[in-house]
Amino acid sequence: QKEVEQNSGPLSVPEGAIASLNCTYSDRVSQSFFWYRQYSGKSPELIMSIYSNGDKEDGRFTAQLNKASQYVSLLIRDSQPSDSATYLCALSPSTNTGNQFYFGTGTSLTVIP
Amino acid sequence: GAVVSQHPSWVICKSGTSVKIECRSLDFQATTMFWYRQFPKQSLMLMATSNEGSKATYEQGVEKDKFLINHASLTLSTLTVTSAHPEDSSFYICSATSGLAYEQYFGPGTRLTVT
Repeated sequence: QKEVEQNSGPLSVPEGAIASLNCTYSDRVSQSFFWYRQYSGKSPELIMSIYSNGDKEDGRFTAQLNKASQYVSLLIRDSQPSDSATYLCALSPSTNTGNQFYFGTGTSLTVIP
Repeated sequence: GAVVSQHPSWVICKSGTSVKIECRSLDFQATTMFWYRQFPKQSLMLMATSNEGSKATYEQGVEKDKFLINHASLTLSTLTVTSAHPEDSSFYICSATSGLAYEQYFGPGTRLTVT
């Protein structure tokens, strides 16, 4: 069983602040990591994927991966009210494509104007 | 790129009837498609994994005779909910991956209400 743990929140940050979302996992062999954003009533939308230790930046989003400590995080800079959503952490245990993802239960983020 | 569509976006049916949901990859060939179900304020629950031309692999506890999955082409998978009951009312979401990348791309989901 591949456990993916996220703080369910809710996490509230003021507009313009940095939101920090964390995810830990139990399976040391996991290879691929993903962050999805899910607005209420909508399906998940891929934000970031990260495969190597370190930081990966894309616009206001930075994903951080530390395989030795088994955590992956997502930083959202200059948070906007439109960032208010549930953020899902997911991992794939293999480098092969088409494998099942394991999802965390999500962290609810609210950005306060 | 990487667009996945679902049809219908919402459906209401009567108890005992069957409903078919289509999932299409519009701009890539989806070698693997996944079907999820999500109840309000709960996390995604994987129902089954389907590979083109093969029988679907169902997760434990998911009735394969009730949730029929067909993945007949590289761009289309269907989920048929047979003899639907009110407890089958949920948000059904498909996702797809190509053979070239690791990411899963989700369709917009289908909201099923069984009366």
